[in-house]
Amino acid sequence: EVQLVESGGGLVQPGRSLRLSCTASGFTFGDYGMSWVRQAPGKGLEWVAYIRSKPYGGTAEYAASVKGRFTISRDDSKSIAYLQMNGLKTEDTAVYYCTGGGIQTPYWGQGTLVTVSS
Amino acid sequence: DVVMTQSPLSLPVTLGQPASISCRSSQSLVYSDGNTYLNWFQQRPGQSPRRLIYKVSKRDSGVPDRFSGSGSGTDFTLKISRVEAEDVGVYYCMQGTHWPLTFGGGTKVEIK
Repeated sequence: EVQLVESGGGLVQPGRSLRLSCTASGFTFGDYGMSWVRQAPGKGLEWVAYIRSKPYGGTAEYAASVKGRFTISRDDSKSIAYLQMNGLKTEDTAVYYCTGGGIQTPYWGQGTLVTVSS
Repeated sequence: DVVMTQSPLSLPVTLGQPASISCRSSQSLVYSDGNTYLNWFQQRPGQSPRRLIYKVSKRDSGVPDRFSGSGSGTDFTLKISRVEAEDVGVYYCMQGTHWPLTFGGGTKVEIK
């Protein structure tokens, strides 16, 4: 059974940093790209970042709203994807979902809430 | 960016009746490999999104066959042949052809 478990969310002040983790199991993690998707309270889904698998270069793509502030990375030896979030803004407040299995996001975690507030 | 426009915003349906959701993209979703990367997701109240349909019309494992996807190019549809109580939630289309990946605004399905 595929499982994606996010952690690292919480309350943080504007301008500060936070790192989210996504621990995967049930599929060959290193074979697939991973994404982060967020959902602001009461709003729709917004794709945030994607990292390719190593065979495809391990490179990343970002939404314009987070480019230069967020960094996605992966540790295939531990089956973990990360989202380093710097310079957080109040508009980054959302549930952050880890998604896996490639660009078409077949697998989703339960999400972790990030609240940016003073 | 590719804009995904869903309609309607809200869809009240009688149990056992069909439902249809439209999703239009601002540009063609046909990729250079010939595939069309249009996905549909269901988000039940209080739950994470779940993918139902990928590449326009392919159902994910475990998805009831009352759900079907169709369309081509820029015009896509999700149909529920007979709505059941467990189908209540918000449905999103998502394109996986162009960067950045983009979602539709969502359609809320509720029981009349």
